[in-house]
Amino acid sequence: GQQLNQSPQSMFIQEGEDVSMNCTSSSIFNTWLWYKQDPGEGPVLLIALYKAGELTSNGRLTAQFGITRKDSFLNISASIPSDVGIYFCAGRTNSGYALNFGKGTSLLVTP
Amino acid sequence: NAGVTQTPKFRVLKTGQSMTLLCAQDMNHEYMYWYRQDPGMGLRLIHYSVGEGTTAKGEVPDGYNVSRLKKQNFLLGLESAAPSQTSVYFCASRSSHYEQYFGPGTRLTVT
Repeated sequence: GQQLNQSPQSMFIQEGEDVSMNCTSSSIFNTWLWYKQDPGEGPVLLIALYKAGELTSNGRLTAQFGITRKDSFLNISASIPSDVGIYFCAGRTNSGYALNFGKGTSLLVTP
Repeated sequence: NAGVTQTPKFRVLKTGQSMTLLCAQDMNHEYMYWYRQDPGMGLRLIHYSVGEGTTAKGEVPDGYNVSRLKKQNFLLGLESAAPSQTSVYFCASRSSHYEQYFGPGTRLTVT
């Protein structure tokens, strides 16, 4: 499957700061998903996006489906220590049974 | 709802031994997937199933076999384990809206 380009690879921030990460693809996607994985756990779905330009929030998290349909963005506002983890983007093409995953953004938050 | 469950959670095998990983979902999803996760490699698709009695190869299928005899279960088999199969294995099932839900993972070490 196609790997997505996810950046940054890691972030080290202070509690209260806002966080932005993004994912890009060379293919057009019909669905973008964002997951969070805590150490020793499976990925947990945070936000799902289905239309170009769509902006969806889940608490302090906001994600956007890029207009070109080749990118997506995740923002976390006012970060807290429990935001620590690895964030993955995933996308699906029109013909795909499976998801293509980014390699993840590792987020560390210091109190 | 338990969602997606996986057994066992941990396993250590010697090279050449065989084992079966069990995945179960109670969401009545048609699609199920097996991934492996390795440091720096992200999630890679091993095999998937689009319904009871069907299976298909993913990105890294060599050395693995799968079966989907019942809709709620998806089994991953290693016939002759190799150290390269040391990894964390995740099962997922997919909703009709393409959202994948992951299990807690099985941590496998092959010595």
